[in-house]
Amino acid sequence: DGGITQSPKYLFRKEGQNVTLSCEQNLNHDAMYWYRQDPGQGLRLIYYSQIVNDFQKGDIAEGYSVSREKKESFPLTVTSAQKNPTAFYLCASSPSHGNTIYFGEGSWLTVV
Amino acid sequence: GQQLNQSPQSMFIQEGEDVSMNCTSSSIFNTWLWYKQDPGEGPVLLIALYKAGELTSNGRLTAQFGITRKDSFLNISASIPSDVGIYFCAGQGMYSGGGADGLTFGKGTHLIIQP
Repeated sequence: DGGITQSPKYLFRKEGQNVTLSCEQNLNHDAMYWYRQDPGQGLRLIYYSQIVNDFQKGDIAEGYSVSREKKESFPLTVTSAQKNPTAFYLCASSPSHGNTIYFGEGSWLTVV
Repeated sequence: GQQLNQSPQSMFIQEGEDVSMNCTSSSIFNTWLWYKQDPGEGPVLLIALYKAGELTSNGRLTAQFGITRKDSFLNISASIPSDVGIYFCAGQGMYSGGGADGLTFGKGTHLIIQP
């Protein structure tokens, strides 16, 4: 089936640790995105990538890092520098010249 | 930056009632998108609008791209329990590039249906 797969669905992080969230898509989309969702705050853009080997900071990139070595994959690393990482993280993708984006099922990250 | 106001913030309705929600922007948009999010899941695209005045339906859902390009509404007719969730609008500004780097999301409308 075509779609966007995020893993893991639930992740627990100890303070001071880096963790990586996986996002894979088989839609042949050029563009991929990471959003963070907190209660009552809607969706906020962390990073996006319009093409392989290129990515740009979104509105809340501090404490996060990404890579785009393959078209299908856009992993997000939540570093220890992110002071409040507990949130729901959403990966998305879109065709290179389209405005419509499609979301994965999300990953919950909790700091323990 | 662009401001996008979505209202109402939440709605408590009876099963079978019609629902209406809207989004307004401080500037012109050239695309409007409506998504629904179930608890703990990613948003699912319901309707995409690309032209001012466009009226599009998807089953019991109808959305319109406002003539002024600054607003859009979503209507749900004869609501059923599975309509419960959060509905988000998203718009892209007139002078933004393609892709979500220029996409602005509303904060969502929580729809709660009382049996």
